Amino acid sequence: AIQLTQSPSSLSASIGDRVTITCRASQGISSALAWYQQKPGKAPKLLIYDASSLESGVPSRFSGSGSGTDFTLTISSLQPEDFATYYCQQCNSYPITFGQGTRLEIK
Amino acid sequence: EVQLVESGGGLVQPGGSLRLSCAASGFTFSRYWMSWVRQAPGKGLEWVANMKQDGSEKYYVDSVKGRFTISRDNAKNSLYLQMNSLRAEDTAVYYCAREVSESTALADWGKGTTVTVSS
Repeated sequence: AIQLTQSPSSLSASIGDRVTITCRASQGISSALAWYQQKPGKAPKLLIYDASSLESGVPSRFSGSGSGTDFTLTISSLQPEDFATYYCQQCNSYPITFGQGTRLEIK
Repeated sequence: EVQLVESGGGLVQPGGSLRLSCAASGFTFSRYWMSWVRQAPGKGLEWVANMKQDGSEKYYVDSVKGRFTISRDNAKNSLYLQMNSLRAEDTAVYYCAREVSESTALADWGKGTTVTVSS
């Protein structure tokens, strides 16, 4: 199975900060990567698919990049509603796998 | 508006069985791959299984192969997960999700149903 390693595992940041979360795959997955946001007690929400395609309705401050084994999720200017846990997911091969998550907290 | 509503969770003893259901509305169910994803208490997300539109292809995570069976009824706009030989480590919130076309990214999710395996 393809392993996804997210870094950092947790992150403290302030409103207005630019934040980058990294996801590294154990083998190449082309651009078959998605990013999700999850708030406590809620289902995950798709933000980005195909590594860089913004899901409809997701604010443009979210962006994704990368291909092969290294990917990033960037939030250009943190808003209060962005404090949550973020997961990457590889969509290249079965079994589908997720990263362990990055918890984004308010500094 | 896309809606996915899971049901069927509950408390079950180790070795027992449960059947989860997911009722879909707001989209043409028969046109999409569908997935089950779970999340153990305080843990991350784990993909469990998915199924092609016509049921001709199914895939599972290794830890549930031979114990769980995914199925669907397109006439009833419903997805199912039959879970047998349940173990404590199957305790989780189980989500039903609709896949993005041409990808296994998960565009829409239900609110989840909780399965607890304990004696």
